[in-house]
Amino acid sequence: DGGITQSPKYLFRKEGQNVTLSCEQNLNHDAMYWYRQDPGQGLRLIYYSQIVHDFQKGDIAEGYSVSREKKESFPLTVTSAQKNPTAFYLCASSREGQGSVSYSNQPQHFGDGTRLSIL
Amino acid sequence: GQQLNQSPQSMFIQEGEDVSMNCTSSSIFNTWLWYKQDPGEGPVLLIALYKAGELTSNGRLTAQFGITRKDSFLNISASIPSDVGIYFCAGRTRSGGSNYKLTFGKGTLLTVNP
Repeated sequence: DGGITQSPKYLFRKEGQNVTLSCEQNLNHDAMYWYRQDPGQGLRLIYYSQIVHDFQKGDIAEGYSVSREKKESFPLTVTSAQKNPTAFYLCASSREGQGSVSYSNQPQHFGDGTRLSIL
Repeated sequence: GQQLNQSPQSMFIQEGEDVSMNCTSSSIFNTWLWYKQDPGEGPVLLIALYKAGELTSNGRLTAQFGITRKDSFLNISASIPSDVGIYFCAGRTRSGGSNYKLTFGKGTLLTVNP
């Protein structure tokens, strides 16, 4: 089945440690996104990538880093610089990219999330 | 940045009742999306709206894209226990560097009593 897979489901980070969250999609989508969700809050955009080898900062990028080496994969690293990393992290993808005007209105589809906690 | 005001924050209703929630913004959006999130899972798309004034149904769900393009509502008719969850609205603009970003409301937590 096509979909978005996030792993692990639960992750624990020690102080001063970097951790990487995985996001893989087999939907052949061009664009991928990372969001952070805190209790009682909407989703806040961390980073997004419209096409392979390119990504842009979202609204809360500080303390995070990403890479987009393959179309299917968009891993997120939570660095030690992120002082409040405890949250639910959601990855999404959509069928669009630069120049794909006909796909510019395709909605985003989400994975099932990774819950990150501090030890 | 752009903000969406989603209301109500939470609702407690009896099974069989109808539900209405809405999102408003001072900004214009070209697309409105409604998602539902179950605990510990990712949001699932319910309805997508692409034209001002558009009214779209998906089973017991009905959503409308406001004529001013600054608001949208979602109605659920004859609620059932599995409707429980958090409902999010999301608005999207088509211009400039924000072409592929969504702005999310803070969600409406729906509880349905059997």
